[in-house]
Amino acid sequence: KAGVTQTPRYLIKTRGQQVTLSCSPISGHRSVSWYQQTPGQGLQFLFEYFSETQRNKGNFPGRFSGRQFSNSRSEMNVSTLELGDSALYLCASSLGPGELFFGEGSRLTVL
Amino acid sequence: AQTVTQSQPEMSVQEAETVTLSCTYDTSESDYYLFWYKQPPSRQMILVIRQEAYKQQNATENRFSVNFQKAAKSFSLKISDSQLGDAAMYFCAYRSLGTGSYQLTFGKGTKLSVIP
Repeated sequence: KAGVTQTPRYLIKTRGQQVTLSCSPISGHRSVSWYQQTPGQGLQFLFEYFSETQRNKGNFPGRFSGRQFSNSRSEMNVSTLELGDSALYLCASSLGPGELFFGEGSRLTVL
Repeated sequence: AQTVTQSQPEMSVQEAETVTLSCTYDTSESDYYLFWYKQPPSRQMILVIRQEAYKQQNATENRFSVNFQKAAKSFSLKISDSQLGDAAMYFCAYRSLGTGSYQLTFGKGTKLSVIP
C-alpha cells in the first residue's frame, strides 16, 4: 500500500510569490491534515480536511488555505509569501482517530 | 487548549543501554490519545507507540514502552537496548477524542543521540 505522497519535495520561492503544495493520502483515508514544522515553533497544526470539508483550522493567517478533492487528495496554498513561511510542510492522512500517517514533507525556502 | 511539554531538548544514550524521554501534558478532558512519534534526520515521521487514556495498562511495542500516569498527566517513553537506528527527534503528541477532529498537539521534541 502506497504511503502519503507529497509534492514537490523541495522548492524555493521569493517573497510575495505564492505556492501550492500537494498531498495524496493513503488509499481509503478520508482525513488529511497539514502541519508546519520550523526549528523555532516546532510542529504547528494548519488545517484538517475530511470528505472535502475543512473540519478544523489552526491559528494561521488567511494567506494559508487548503482544499480537499473528491478523491481525498489535498492541496494547500500560501499566498504573498514571507520569509517566515520557510518551513517543512507535512501532510498526514488518517483512517480514524488512532494514528496519523505522515508524508516526507515539502521543504519550502522563501528568499 | 491542550499543551504538551517535553522538557529535554536533547538526550544521549549509549548503544544497548536504556533511556527515558519525558512528556507532560495539560488537558481538562478525560478521553484522549497520546502518541510518541519518531522523526529520523531528513526522513518521515513514524509512529512509535500509542496510548489510549481509558486504558490503565501501559502500551508496549517491542523495545519501546511507556509509563502513563493519567493523574499526573505524564507520558514518558522508555527505549530499551538502544540501537544506532533509534537516533532521531522524538515528539510526544496529544489528540482529543471530544472534538471530532484528528488534530495532534505536539511537544517541541527531544533529540536523541545514540553513542556507539
